[in-house]
Amino acid sequence: EAGVAQSPRYKIIEKRQSVAFWCNPISGHATLYWYQQILGQGPKLLIQFQNNGVVDDSQLPKDRFSAERLKGVDSTLKIQPAKLEDSAVYLCASSLGDRDNEKLFFGSGTQLSVL
Amino acid sequence: SQQGEEDPQALSIQEGENATMNCSYKTSINNLQWYRQNSGRGLVHLILIRSNEREKHSGRLRVTLDTSKKSSSLLITASRAADTASYFCATSRMDSSYKLIFGSGTRLLVRP
Repeated sequence: EAGVAQSPRYKIIEKRQSVAFWCNPISGHATLYWYQQILGQGPKLLIQFQNNGVVDDSQLPKDRFSAERLKGVDSTLKIQPAKLEDSAVYLCASSLGDRDNEKLFFGSGTQLSVL
Repeated sequence: SQQGEEDPQALSIQEGENATMNCSYKTSINNLQWYRQNSGRGLVHLILIRSNEREKHSGRLRVTLDTSKKSSSLLITASRAADTASYFCATSRMDSSYKLIFGSGTRLLVRP
């Protein structure tokens, strides 16, 4: 079974530039999550999709972050413009999304450095 | 905001010893999960315990849940150097969103 795929693996940009991350979840997984993990901290949920609808985006900085899930499968997360404090690992995860299968499968993440 | 807080923040033990990590949370939960993260990698699911369960085992892992104290513990027995990683608890709220909120993690170092 293929895992959650993320790209790019690393990205270095200057502040005020824009950046996009891509995620391909496990086939058949209805729920997709984007987490932000700052060094030394736990993952913080940015946005959660159920199929192609947004379930929760309460902690997404909507003035600069946007995300979409195309046809309920792949997803992209965009930051525009980036700030220094956006330096973090961006993790994508997916799950089947039903009560009996709530464990998350994570990708390896995209490490973003904003200079 | 983060729901769970792990204790200790860091733990260093000798290979063969047991490692115990604790997690406290704030609101009612549907289940609590533990994940492991090796340096520079994504998180890997270890074990899930539901709110009506008190203890669960998986190989060398033992998880307990005390909903009255809003706390959980993860015990790794007979630790190995390969167990060196960060361990996170995550709680799932009692609604239909399946939203999973992670704690701040315990960094475990197992010395060979």
